[in-house]
Amino acid sequence: EDKVVQSPLSLVVHEGDTVTLNCSYEVTNFRSLLWYKQEKKAPTFLFMLTSSGIEKKSGRLSSILDKKELFSILNITATQTGDSAVYLCAVSGNKLVFGAGTILRVKS
Amino acid sequence: NAGVMQNPRHLVRRRGQEARLRCSPMKGHSHVYWYRQLPEEGLKFMVYLQKENIIDESGMPKERFSAEFPKEGPSILRIQQVVRGDSAAYFCASSPVAPPNTEAFFGQGTRLTVV
Repeated sequence: EDKVVQSPLSLVVHEGDTVTLNCSYEVTNFRSLLWYKQEKKAPTFLFMLTSSGIEKKSGRLSSILDKKELFSILNITATQTGDSAVYLCAVSGNKLVFGAGTILRVKS
Repeated sequence: NAGVMQNPRHLVRRRGQEARLRCSPMKGHSHVYWYRQLPEEGLKFMVYLQKENIIDESGMPKERFSAEFPKEGPSILRIQQVVRGDSAAYFCASSPVAPPNTEAFFGQGTRLTVV
């Protein structure tokens, strides 16, 4: 059965801190890994990763994929209160399977 | 180009009634996914449909739940004889092609409350 495991389950940091969110997976016929941000409504897309070792970057957020070790990390630098959300990792194989998410709370 | 539209946004049903959740994918999208989310939990895959076909329903409970995506009209997730444990947020996502070539875009969800 396809499985996506995210850690930590929740995290509380102060503004300005850097955080690293983890996602490991076991999936049949891996095709891509996606990161989403969810703030009390629909998840919004952040990144899609298909190749190992190539960092994707958008502002203070960046992500990288390791297909050999079957994991990805999402980094957020200089965190702001607006980064508070649930961060979801999803893996696309024969279907799109999501992890349980990491709840991030950034305190001012 | 409107996003993925789900309705209703909130639905209250008494135990034993039927719930019908609708999802209109983005224009040009022929792939639809349904997910269920309990409070403080991630998204649990339910079913993946392409126009008129169910591709993967491995996440659907065997009884009371069904889904369709007809040639014309929205995708429907139907829950018969609802029970309190069905209370959750149900999200629909759509994509123009099958993964991995594109991300899936989500609707705002339908929050089902069974009383």
